[in-house]
Amino acid sequence: KAGVTQTPRYLIKTRGQQVTLSCSPISGHRSVSWYQQTPGQGLQFLFEYFSETQRNKGNFPGRFSGRQFSNSRSEMNVSTLELGDSALYLCASSFGGDYGYTFGSGTRLTVV
Amino acid sequence: AQSVTQLDSQVPVFEEAPVELRCNYSSSVSVYLFWYVQYPNQGLQLLLKYLSGSTLVESINGFEAEFNKSQTSFHLRKPSVHISDTAEYFCAVSEGGGSNYKLTFGKGTLLTVNP
Repeated sequence: KAGVTQTPRYLIKTRGQQVTLSCSPISGHRSVSWYQQTPGQGLQFLFEYFSETQRNKGNFPGRFSGRQFSNSRSEMNVSTLELGDSALYLCASSFGGDYGYTFGSGTRLTVV
Repeated sequence: AQSVTQLDSQVPVFEEAPVELRCNYSSSVSVYLFWYVQYPNQGLQLLLKYLSGSTLVESINGFEAEFNKSQTSFHLRKPSVHISDTAEYFCAVSEGGGSNYKLTFGKGTLLTVNP
């Protein structure tokens, strides 16, 4: 079966712009989480959605937002990009609990 | 709050040697524990998980990890490594039996297997 699909794979944006990243979970999975991975901070939790509701949120500024659609697909948005937002953004899906999330290959965002 | 410490940032070993990657966690409640592996330019792949029951869990490619509640550890072991095991390994914890819908990761251990 198809895995977690993230688009685009690579993205270059200019400081001050905004960006939207997309994630399609495994069919049947209703929970989608987002993580930011950087060399300095490692893997950090952004937020988790289940049935279009945000159930948990990490310690990121309000510039980072997300949403989930009725078909479980999810998007995350970062507004007013900063150089420090350059990272690999990973999406993960599961049936609904922390029973082992399946991760996508990520979107590599570079802010210049 | 939950936290995860991976004691070694890099572990170099020779092919066919045994390896142990250490992971300790801090939590005041029950936890689920995971090991993920990341190959270059890829996402994370679930290697194995402990939810409940037997404290020794195994993966299909020869890795195993043992949950030790008294020492709050979940070390990953393999008796004989291959070149293809070279990757970064992440230990992760989910607190409260999965009820906070969040994984907290360690900083990772880069395993390098040399011929």
